[in-house]
Order: sequence, then C-alpha cells, then structure tokens
Amino acid sequence: IAGITQAPTSQILAAGRRMTLRCTQDMRHNAMYWYRQDLGLGLRLIHYSNTAGTTGKGEVPDGYSVSRANTDDFPLTLASAVPSQTSVYFCASSDGLAGVVDEQFFGPGTRLTVL
Amino acid sequence: EDQVTQSPEALRLQEGESSSLNCSYTVSGLRGLFWYRQDPGKGPEFLFTLYSAGEEKEKERLKATLTKKESFLHITAPKPEDSATYLCAVQADDYKLSFGAGTTVTVRA
Repeated sequence: IAGITQAPTSQILAAGRRMTLRCTQDMRHNAMYWYRQDLGLGLRLIHYSNTAGTTGKGEVPDGYSVSRANTDDFPLTLASAVPSQTSVYFCASSDGLAGVVDEQFFGPGTRLTVL
Repeated sequence: EDQVTQSPEALRLQEGESSSLNCSYTVSGLRGLFWYRQDPGKGPEFLFTLYSAGEEKEKERLKATLTKKESFLHITAPKPEDSATYLCAVQADDYKLSFGAGTTVTVRA
C-alpha cells in the first residue's frame, strides 16, 4: 500500500540519549517534512527537504537534525534528547514541484517521551 | 509571520445538528488553504485545498469555503463518524504550511 511509514510507533527515552526517528515514503515525492504536534500548539515544522540531497530549517529546528540521502528516506535525529522534545512527531511528503501548490500526505506518527 | 487561528477549540454536536468551523488567517501571499481531518492516534488526512476567495469544495457532509480573511468548514447533518479534529493550514509564498491548533468535533448519536 502506497504511503508513508514511520518507526518506531512509540518510544520512551532517557534524557541525554541519541534517537533517530525513521520515515520512508513510496510515492516518489520530491519533498518531505518533519513536524511535531503538541497539545494546543498545532503542527510545527521542524525541518524539510525539497529534494534528495537538500534540507532546510523549519520553525523549531533546534536540537534536531535531518538528512536526505535518497528520495524515499528522511530520518530525524535528536542528538541529545531533552524532556521538552516529548511530543508526537509526524513525517509528511508532497510532490514538491516548483511553483505548484500541493497537499502533504502524513505518516501515522511517532509518540516520543523523554524522561 | 503567518498566523492561523481556528475556532472554536471544541464543538459538541448532536447527530444531525449542522454547524460550522472557522479558520481565520493572516499571511502574505496566500497560495492555498488546506483542511485536514485527524483521528485520535493517527496522522492528518487531507480533505480539501482552496486557492482563491469565493471558492467552495464539497465532500459528503463537508463543505469548505474561502474568503480573503477566513475559511469555513460546514458540517451538514453530521454523523458520529464525523467526530475528529479538523485542522486548517495555509501555504504562503515560501510554500511551507502553517497550521492552526485545530477544532475537535464530537458528534453524539
């Protein structure tokens, strides 16, 4: 089934540990995104990639890094997790064609708790 | 800075009781306004894209409309399966999405 997969589904992590959230899409979309969703704040963009090999910072990038080695995968890394990074993380993708307004498709999310 | 405000935060409806959700926005150079549905524990699911003032889109019991300052999502004769959080997002000149906090709709049978 075409779409976006995320792993793990949920994770409890000790503060200071390193963690990578995985995201894979099979729609051959150019653009991919990482969001965090917190109660009352809505979805906020962490990092994005318009095409393989390029990345950019979103609204809340501090403490996170991403890479885009190929079209399908867009991992999000927390180098040293802190409790304020407790959230639900969503990966999304879109066609991302230049000058085209297109909808984003979302994965099922990863629920991360940092203690 | 782009801003998206949704109201009300929560809406409780009786089955069959029609209502509207509001999404007001301030953005420089609106490229598109999106509505998503999100069920508990799941990712947002795309519903509509609106591009210009006066545009309307319909899907089953949902109809989205757009003006220069706001968008409405009308739910006509809702059913319990329409219970969800509805998210509004705007896309501006930089093509990034800015989301509102959402309206949680509960429809009682």
